Amino acid sequence: DAGVTQSPTHLIKTRGQQVTLRCSPKSGHDTVSWYQQALGQGPQFIFQYYEEEERQRGNFPDRFSGHQFPNYSSELNVNALLLGDSALYLCASSRTSNYGYTFGSGTRLTVV
Amino acid sequence: GENVEQHPSTLSVQEGDSAVIKCTYSDSASNYFPWYKQELGKRPQLIIDIRSNVGEKKDQRIAVTLNKTAKHFSLHITETQPEDSAVYFCAASKGGSYIPTFGRGTSLIVHP
Repeated sequence: DAGVTQSPTHLIKTRGQQVTLRCSPKSGHDTVSWYQQALGQGPQFIFQYYEEEERQRGNFPDRFSGHQFPNYSSELNVNALLLGDSALYLCASSRTSNYGYTFGSGTRLTVV
Repeated sequence: GENVEQHPSTLSVQEGDSAVIKCTYSDSASNYFPWYKQELGKRPQLIIDIRSNVGEKKDQRIAVTLNKTAKHFSLHITETQPEDSAVYFCAASKGGSYIPTFGRGTSLIVHP
């Protein structure tokens, strides 16, 4: 049984560019949450998707947007990249109305 | 929103010693408290969790205690081993959102 799959694993982008990160949830999970983890920090909640809609959003600007597809997979888009967007982006899936999170291995984004 | 404070940021122990990591939370409505272990370059993995209707939970060498009145919870690791070396994150969430807020992490170093 595959866990949470994220792609790509590493990415280098230039300031001002746009990036799309992808996540496939664990089998049986229907909810996807995205987190940003800066070096030496805890994961910070970006947003959560359920039934193809953004259910809740953390304190991130509109440059961060997402999407969930009918097969529950999800994308995170970041526009107008800043140096400060460099971080590990983690996707976590869960079953709705259930506390358990399963994390993916993350995408390491470096903005230069 | 919820705020989770975690201490210490770094904890160095000798193999066989015990380690204790403490967290406090701000939202009295929080009722679920997971702990994650993140080894270098890997995904956070759930190691133990506790719900607000119990005060303590144990799983082999790991235990978690919860004091709802004081709004703090702790992770206890006994007989530490070098493979326990990792960053540990506490988190708090509540029913309805199931979106954990994470602490900043504790880097545990177990010296052989």
